[in-house]
Amino acid sequence: QQQVKQSPQSLIVQKGGISIINCAYENTAFDYFPWYQQFPGKGPALLIAIRPDVSEKKEGRFTISFNKSAKQFSLHIMDSQPGDSATYFCAASKVSDTGGFKTIFGAGTRLFVKA
Amino acid sequence: DAGVTQSPTHLIKTRGQHVTLRCSPISGHKSVSWYQQVLGQGPQFIFQYYEKEERGRGNFPDRFSARQFPNYSSELNVNALLLGDSALYLCASSWSSSNQPQHFGDGTRLSIL
Repeated sequence: QQQVKQSPQSLIVQKGGISIINCAYENTAFDYFPWYQQFPGKGPALLIAIRPDVSEKKEGRFTISFNKSAKQFSLHIMDSQPGDSATYFCAASKVSDTGGFKTIFGAGTRLFVKA
Repeated sequence: DAGVTQSPTHLIKTRGQHVTLRCSPISGHKSVSWYQQVLGQGPQFIFQYYEKEERGRGNFPDRFSARQFPNYSSELNVNALLLGDSALYLCASSWSSSNQPQHFGDGTRLSIL
């Protein structure tokens, strides 16, 4: 119930194309769903996040689509660029019993954008 | 403004030794969380601290411990190191115990020989 399943494991997209990464969760207590981008040798950087009362959120070229009933959410990267080549992680977060929060990450998707 | 800073950036230890990793959160952030990221996997939650109190704990053995200081910086301690502890250890800070988002440092790469 604590898992977040992410697919695909790797993705190759042509420059200018759309990159789509999907995630699914089980625990309905999760109430915050961020996406992170990580370059080699760096920590994850927050890209965009959504809460379950919203079905879609767009920030620049990045869009999250959220399907609460299916317990699925996805990241769309429009007009993908070589500089977008990185590992992307979805995550799900819920408030813990002790007043903090716990974040579960997916296994990651390695995106390569071909020039 | 400085982001989350972690030290050291790299560390090599041998089995059985002890290690202390340090984290300074973004100025104004009072919550610090620690994560372990094994190569090729997503970060795994270890601890969250807020106002010097532990607010969350992941599924890690008691060899792992942490604390937070009055200036909100934090230390992660790992005793009796095992080969499997080799990983990137990430620290993330956020404004409060329940507020999001989290901002990550670049981590400490720990290698166990």
